[in-house]
Amino acid sequence: GQQLNQSPQSMFIQEGEDVSMNCTSSSIFNTWLWYKQDPGEGPVLLIALYKAGELTSNGRLTAQFGITRKDSFLNISASIPSDVGIYFCAGQLNYGGSQGNLIFGKGTKLSVKP
Amino acid sequence: NAGVTQTPKFQVLKTGQSMTLQCAQDMNHNSMYWYRQDPGMGLRLIYYSASEGTTDKGEVPNGYNVSRLNKREFSLRLESAAPSQTSVYFCASRRSGILSYEQYFGPGTRLTVT
Repeated sequence: GQQLNQSPQSMFIQEGEDVSMNCTSSSIFNTWLWYKQDPGEGPVLLIALYKAGELTSNGRLTAQFGITRKDSFLNISASIPSDVGIYFCAGQLNYGGSQGNLIFGKGTKLSVKP
Repeated sequence: NAGVTQTPKFQVLKTGQSMTLQCAQDMNHNSMYWYRQDPGMGLRLIYYSASEGTTDKGEVPNGYNVSRLNKREFSLRLESAAPSQTSVYFCASRRSGILSYEQYFGPGTRLTVT
């Protein structure tokens, strides 16, 4: 099936640092979504992107829909302890019966630097 | 407005037992989804329902059945549980229409099969 490659798999943050993560695919996507999941909770939608090249912010979070439509990036500026969690990218392919269904990356786990 | 709710939150089953996971949404969304989440695997689609009265298989449907009881409710049934079905199960919903691929998730059901 279709796959999204999300990187890095994990990273450690120190309060105040900027964080970057990305998702890439060999397929073209019509939509990119970014979710955050806290331990023991369901994923929560952070940002939705619908146009190639689109740059969208939500507070300290900024996400971009890659111009090739095969990738997306999420940046977190001036990280704080509550940014810890797992971040998932999700892409939507528009074809046939799967229209509207999402494909998820395996997640980037953010932890606090010891 | 509770969003997406799931019951139970935790469940332990013995191999061969059956159970039904319940999901309801109060956002008047047309589409509903069941995912499983395993460590390192991200979210994988089990079944989905694009609208009331329709259901379709996702990526990993074997061993599961679903029922779209009405527009609000979408249940997932394990007829004969197996240890391989130990996972966290998430229900999600989405309103239909162009540029509305955002899915909203419930808090999850943590299932252990011994």
